[in-house]
Amino acid sequence: SQQGEEDPQALSIQEGENATMNCSYKTSINNLQWYRQNSGRGLVHLILIRSNEREKHSGRLRVTLDTSKKSSSLLITASRAADTASYFCATDDGNFNKFYFGSGTKLNVKP
Amino acid sequence: ETGVTQSPTHLIKTRGQQVTLRCSSQSGHNTVSWYQQALGQGPQFIFQYYREEENGRGNFPPRFSGLQFPNYSSELNVNALELDDSALYLCASSLEGGPIYGYTFGSGTRLTVV
Repeated sequence: SQQGEEDPQALSIQEGENATMNCSYKTSINNLQWYRQNSGRGLVHLILIRSNEREKHSGRLRVTLDTSKKSSSLLITASRAADTASYFCATDDGNFNKFYFGSGTKLNVKP
Repeated sequence: ETGVTQSPTHLIKTRGQQVTLRCSSQSGHNTVSWYQQALGQGPQFIFQYYREEENGRGNFPPRFSGLQFPNYSSELNVNALELDDSALYLCASSLEGGPIYGYTFGSGTRLTVV
Protein backbone atom coordinates (compact mmCIF):
# COMPACT_ATOMS: atom_id res chain seq x y z
CA SER A 1 0.00 0.00 0.00
CA GLN A 2 1.14 3.52 -0.70
CA GLN A 3 -0.44 4.83 2.47
CA GLY A 4 1.52 7.37 4.39
CA GLU A 5 2.12 6.52 8.00
CA GLU A 6 2.33 9.22 10.64
CA ASP A 7 4.50 9.09 13.70
CA PRO A 8 3.90 9.45 16.59
CA GLN A 9 0.33 8.21 16.84
CA ALA A 10 -0.31 10.62 19.71
CA LEU A 11 1.47 13.70 21.01
CA SER A 12 0.72 15.77 24.09
CA ILE A 13 2.46 19.11 24.66
CA GLN A 14 2.03 22.36 26.57
CA GLU A 15 0.81 25.51 24.89
CA GLY A 16 3.73 27.45 23.46
CA GLU A 17 5.84 24.39 22.73
CA ASN A 18 6.62 23.15 19.24
CA ALA A 19 5.01 20.01 17.84
CA THR A 20 6.70 17.80 15.27
CA MET A 21 5.03 14.93 13.49
CA ASN A 22 6.44 12.72 10.77
CA CYS A 23 5.10 10.90 7.75
CA SER A 24 6.67 8.06 5.79
CA TYR A 25 5.48 6.65 2.48
CA LYS A 26 6.51 3.88 0.12
CA THR A 27 6.55 4.87 -3.54
CA SER A 28 7.36 7.91 -5.68
CA ILE A 29 4.99 10.83 -5.34
CA ASN A 30 4.10 14.03 -7.16
CA ASN A 31 3.24 15.88 -4.00
CA LEU A 32 2.52 15.41 -0.32
CA GLN A 33 -0.16 17.23 1.62
CA TRP A 34 -0.95 17.73 5.28
CA TYR A 35 -4.47 18.00 6.64
CA ARG A 36 -6.01 18.72 10.04
CA GLN A 37 -9.19 17.17 11.39
CA ASN A 38 -11.07 18.38 14.45
CA SER A 39 -13.18 15.83 16.35
CA GLY A 40 -14.23 13.59 13.47
CA ARG A 41 -15.32 16.40 11.21
CA GLY A 42 -14.10 17.25 7.71
CA LEU A 43 -10.42 17.61 6.97
CA VAL A 44 -8.87 20.99 6.39
CA HIS A 45 -6.04 21.36 3.90
CA LEU A 46 -2.96 22.87 5.57
CA ILE A 47 -0.09 22.76 3.13
CA LEU A 48 1.09 21.05 -0.03
CA ILE A 49 4.71 20.36 -0.90
CA ARG A 50 5.76 19.19 -4.34
CA SER A 51 8.27 16.44 -4.90
CA ASN A 52 10.89 18.93 -6.15
CA GLU A 53 10.58 21.08 -3.02
CA ARG A 54 12.44 20.45 0.21
CA GLU A 55 10.83 22.88 2.62
CA LYS A 56 7.74 25.03 2.77
CA HIS A 57 6.35 27.48 5.30
CA SER A 58 2.85 28.71 6.02
CA GLY A 59 2.38 30.85 9.09
CA ARG A 60 3.38 28.72 12.09
CA LEU A 61 3.67 25.61 9.93
CA ARG A 62 6.88 24.28 8.43
CA VAL A 63 6.93 21.20 6.24
CA THR A 64 9.98 19.36 5.00
CA LEU A 65 10.19 16.64 2.40
CA ASP A 66 13.02 14.17 1.90
CA THR A 67 12.22 12.11 -1.19
CA SER A 68 15.37 10.00 -0.76
CA LYS A 69 14.07 8.82 2.60
CA LYS A 70 10.43 8.96 1.50
CA SER A 71 9.54 11.00 4.53
CA SER A 72 8.07 14.34 5.51
CA SER A 73 7.73 16.25 8.73
CA LEU A 74 5.25 18.87 9.91
CA LEU A 75 6.38 21.35 12.54
CA ILE A 76 3.88 23.55 14.34
CA THR A 77 5.66 26.31 16.23
CA ALA A 78 4.36 28.06 19.33
CA SER A 79 1.39 25.70 19.59
CA ARG A 80 -1.99 26.83 20.87
CA ALA A 81 -4.84 24.93 22.47
CA ALA A 82 -6.78 25.46 19.22
CA ASP A 83 -4.17 23.32 17.41
CA THR A 84 -5.55 20.27 19.23
CA ALA A 85 -6.65 17.97 16.40
CA SER A 86 -5.60 14.97 14.36
CA TYR A 87 -3.07 15.59 11.60
CA PHE A 88 -2.84 13.49 8.46
CA CYS A 89 -0.41 13.35 5.61
CA ALA A 90 -1.71 12.43 2.16
CA THR A 91 0.33 11.10 -0.72
CA ASP A 92 -0.54 10.24 -4.28
CA ASP A 93 0.63 7.13 -6.10
CA GLY A 94 2.31 9.02 -8.92
CA ASN A 95 -1.08 9.78 -10.45
CA PHE A 96 -3.37 12.57 -9.50
CA ASN A 97 -6.50 10.54 -9.15
CA LYS A 98 -5.77 8.71 -5.93
CA PHE A 99 -4.65 10.12 -2.64
CA TYR A 100 -3.80 8.01 0.38
CA PHE A 101 -4.01 9.06 4.01
CA GLY A 102 -2.25 7.57 6.98
CA SER A 103 -3.83 6.91 10.37
CA GLY A 104 -2.87 10.32 11.66
CA THR A 105 -1.15 11.90 14.64
CA LYS A 106 -3.46 12.97 17.44
CA LEU A 107 -2.10 16.21 18.90
CA ASN A 108 -3.25 17.47 22.28
CA VAL A 109 -2.10 20.95 23.27
CA LYS A 110 -2.68 21.61 26.95
CA PRO A 111 -3.43 25.20 27.99
CA GLU B 1 -17.29 27.27 5.62
CA THR B 2 -15.46 25.10 3.12
CA GLY B 3 -17.93 25.40 0.22
CA VAL B 4 -18.52 21.64 0.13
CA THR B 5 -21.75 20.52 1.75
CA GLN B 6 -22.81 16.98 2.56
CA SER B 7 -26.18 15.59 3.50
CA PRO B 8 -27.42 14.16 5.70
CA THR B 9 -25.02 14.78 8.59
CA HIS B 10 -26.07 11.63 10.42
CA LEU B 11 -27.86 8.50 9.29
CA ILE B 12 -28.85 5.18 10.84
CA LYS B 13 -29.58 2.24 8.58
CA THR B 14 -30.26 -1.45 9.03
CA ARG B 15 -27.96 -4.13 7.68
CA GLY B 16 -28.97 -5.10 4.14
CA GLN B 17 -30.51 -1.75 3.31
CA GLN B 18 -29.30 0.71 0.70
CA VAL B 19 -28.15 4.28 1.33
CA THR B 20 -27.48 7.37 -0.78
CA LEU B 21 -25.21 10.10 0.49
CA ARG B 22 -25.06 13.47 -1.23
CA CYS B 23 -22.39 16.07 -1.77
CA SER B 24 -22.43 19.52 -3.30
CA SER B 25 -18.95 20.45 -4.45
CA GLN B 26 -17.34 23.85 -4.35
CA SER B 27 -18.23 25.86 -7.44
CA GLY B 28 -15.77 25.29 -10.27
CA HIS B 29 -14.45 22.04 -8.81
CA ASN B 30 -15.20 19.35 -11.36
CA THR B 31 -13.35 16.57 -9.56
CA VAL B 32 -14.91 14.88 -6.56
CA SER B 33 -13.55 12.08 -4.42
CA TRP B 34 -15.23 10.04 -1.72
CA TYR B 35 -13.52 8.67 1.35
CA GLN B 36 -14.56 6.32 4.14
CA GLN B 37 -13.15 6.98 7.59
CA ALA B 38 -13.64 4.39 10.30
CA LEU B 39 -13.33 5.49 13.91
CA GLY B 40 -9.73 6.18 14.82
CA GLN B 41 -8.47 5.57 11.30
CA GLY B 42 -7.41 7.71 8.39
CA PRO B 43 -9.69 8.28 5.39
CA GLN B 44 -9.73 5.44 2.87
CA PHE B 45 -10.13 6.32 -0.81
CA ILE B 46 -13.32 4.93 -2.32
CA PHE B 47 -13.37 6.51 -5.79
CA GLN B 48 -12.99 9.72 -7.75
CA TYR B 49 -15.16 11.27 -10.44
CA TYR B 50 -13.96 13.74 -13.05
CA ARG B 51 -16.40 15.33 -15.48
CA GLU B 52 -19.08 12.83 -14.49
CA GLU B 53 -16.97 9.72 -15.09
CA GLU B 54 -15.20 7.50 -12.57
CA ASN B 55 -11.44 7.86 -13.05
CA GLY B 56 -10.00 6.10 -10.03
CA ARG B 57 -11.15 3.56 -7.49
CA GLY B 58 -9.85 2.18 -4.23
CA ASN B 59 -10.28 -1.30 -2.77
CA PHE B 60 -14.03 -1.17 -2.30
CA PRO B 61 -16.54 -3.69 -3.63
CA PRO B 62 -18.95 -2.87 -6.48
CA ARG B 63 -21.80 -2.31 -4.02
CA PHE B 64 -20.16 1.09 -3.50
CA SER B 65 -21.08 3.19 -6.51
CA GLY B 66 -21.27 6.85 -7.36
CA LEU B 67 -22.60 9.50 -9.65
CA GLN B 68 -21.46 13.00 -10.49
CA PHE B 69 -23.79 15.56 -12.03
CA PRO B 70 -23.11 18.61 -14.25
CA ASN B 71 -24.03 20.99 -11.41
CA TYR B 72 -21.03 19.81 -9.33
CA SER B 73 -23.17 17.64 -7.06
CA SER B 74 -22.47 13.96 -6.54
CA GLU B 75 -23.80 10.88 -4.81
CA LEU B 76 -22.34 7.87 -3.08
CA ASN B 77 -24.57 4.81 -3.09
CA VAL B 78 -23.99 1.76 -0.94
CA ASN B 79 -26.08 -1.36 -1.43
CA ALA B 80 -26.53 -4.32 0.91
CA LEU B 81 -25.18 -2.45 3.91
CA GLU B 82 -22.92 -4.31 6.31
CA LEU B 83 -22.10 -3.49 9.90
CA ASP B 84 -18.51 -2.62 8.87
CA ASP B 85 -19.84 0.11 6.61
CA SER B 86 -20.44 2.19 9.73
CA ALA B 87 -18.08 5.14 9.30
CA LEU B 88 -17.74 8.81 8.49
CA TYR B 89 -18.09 9.34 4.74
CA LEU B 90 -16.24 12.34 3.39
CA CYS B 91 -16.65 14.06 0.08
CA ALA B 92 -13.72 16.09 -1.25
CA SER B 93 -13.71 18.34 -4.28
CA SER B 94 -10.80 19.75 -6.19
CA LEU B 95 -9.93 21.72 -9.28
CA GLU B 96 -9.70 20.17 -12.71
CA GLY B 97 -7.28 17.34 -13.11
CA GLY B 98 -7.30 16.09 -9.58
CA PRO B 99 -6.17 17.29 -6.21
CA ILE B 100 -3.03 19.01 -7.44
CA TYR B 101 -3.80 22.00 -5.28
CA GLY B 102 -5.39 20.16 -2.37
CA TYR B 103 -8.83 18.92 -1.56
CA THR B 104 -11.69 20.86 -0.06
CA PHE B 105 -13.55 18.50 2.24
CA GLY B 106 -17.12 18.53 3.43
CA SER B 107 -17.96 17.89 7.08
CA GLY B 108 -19.00 14.33 6.32
CA THR B 109 -21.96 12.03 6.83
CA ARG B 110 -21.83 9.78 9.89
CA LEU B 111 -23.41 6.46 8.85
CA THR B 112 -24.32 3.89 11.48
CA VAL B 113 -25.41 0.43 10.35
CA VAL B 114 -27.26 -1.62 12.95
